Amino acid sequence: KQEVTQIPAALSVPEGENLVLNCSFTDSAIYNLQWFRQDPGKGLTSLLLIQSSQREQTSGRLNASLDKSSGRSTLYIAASQPGDSATYLCALTDSWGKFQFGAGTQVVVTP
Amino acid sequence: KAGVTQTPRYLIKTRGQQVTLSCSPISGHRSVSWYQQTPGQGLQFLFEYFSETQRNKGNFPGRFSGRQFSNSRSEMNVSTLELGDSALYLCASSLSGSNQPQHFGDGTRLSIL
Repeated sequence: KQEVTQIPAALSVPEGENLVLNCSFTDSAIYNLQWFRQDPGKGLTSLLLIQSSQREQTSGRLNASLDKSSGRSTLYIAASQPGDSATYLCALTDSWGKFQFGAGTQVVVTP
Repeated sequence: KAGVTQTPRYLIKTRGQQVTLSCSPISGHRSVSWYQQTPGQGLQFLFEYFSETQRNKGNFPGRFSGRQFSNSRSEMNVSTLELGDSALYLCASSLSGSNQPQHFGDGTRLSIL
């Protein structure tokens, strides 16, 4: 059974610092991995989608890497801003198309 | 382009009742997925519909059901409500399924008294 873990559960950094968020999984037979952010009381916003054949994806200040052999994905956010404060979740898709989410990392960026 | 719309935003029901939640996907999207989010269990996958057919199902009891219409709009029904069904119910749409970015609505907050 796939286990998806996000550590730490919460993180506070001063504005301008780089953020490093981790997602680990136990079964490497994944179809793809997505990173999302969720603001309080809102739905999820897709940030990056990495297919299983890819190693990384980049969008602006965001970069996500995927290492299936070690069961890890990392989301980097460069030069963090207060607007980056949110909960970040990773989600795996198995070959059947079913999603499994991590519990998320709550990020606070202080001015 | 309008986003994913979920109605209603808030709902209060009592145990034993049933409820129907609605999700209108982004125009052109044919895949709609439903999720339950609770503080204790996090985000859990309920089911996915594509072209009016249920394509995937999570590990929820049969009290949870759904359907999709020809215009891709989807409804989720929960019968015989239990206190533990209190949650934020989210739906997401995509062009064709899990190999595409998922676009989420803001959810329906269901409270069971």
